Amino acid sequence: DIVLTQSPGTLSLSPGERATLSCRARQSVSSSYLAWYQQKPGQAPRLLIYGASSRATGTPVRFSGSGSGTDFTLTISRLEPEDFAVYYCQQYGSSRWTFGQGTKVEIK
Amino acid sequence: QVQLVESGGGVVQPGRSLRLSCAASGFTFSSYGMHWVRQAPGKGLEWVAGVSYDGSNKYYADSVKGRFTISRDNSKNTLYLQVNSLRTEDTAVYYCAKAAGVQLFYYFDYWGQGTLVTVSS
Repeated sequence: DIVLTQSPGTLSLSPGERATLSCRARQSVSSSYLAWYQQKPGQAPRLLIYGASSRATGTPVRFSGSGSGTDFTLTISRLEPEDFAVYYCQQYGSSRWTFGQGTKVEIK
Repeated sequence: QVQLVESGGGVVQPGRSLRLSCAASGFTFSSYGMHWVRQAPGKGLEWVAGVSYDGSNKYYADSVKGRFTISRDNSKNTLYLQVNSLRTEDTAVYYCAKAAGVQLFYYFDYWGQGTLVTVSS
């Protein structure tokens, strides 16, 4: 299985600040088959980014994804109040889909 | 609009079985791969199983292989997960998720709201 490690575990920031979330894979993720999801308490996950850098329909432009191979990043340029949530990366390039353990973005 | 509605969860004793269902609407169900993902209380997401658009290919996480069976009925627009020999560590919210393409190697573009399975004596 491709193990994904997200860092940091928790990010404490204020609205308006920039958030940088990391996702590292133990082995290369083929064809940048890497997605990011947002999950708020009591809700299902919501797709934000796919193909490492393509925004899903409805994803605000303040969200951007980058990276390839084993290192990927989700950046939120200026945090809005509704962005405080848990974020998961996922690889979908093998027949064992795996998620990172999540990064919680909390209000400082 | 795409809707995925899970059902079938509940409280069950260890060793017993359940069948979870996911009713799909708003898209051509028979054209997309589908998955089950679970989330234990306070924990992260764990992929459980996936099935191709026509049911011919199925994949399972090692943690459930041999105990869980994924299937689909394209005539009823419904995805299933038969869960047998339940263990306390299977306690989780179970989500169904739609793959973004016909094969399975796609991200998940829509998710249901989940159904809670609690395994307890």
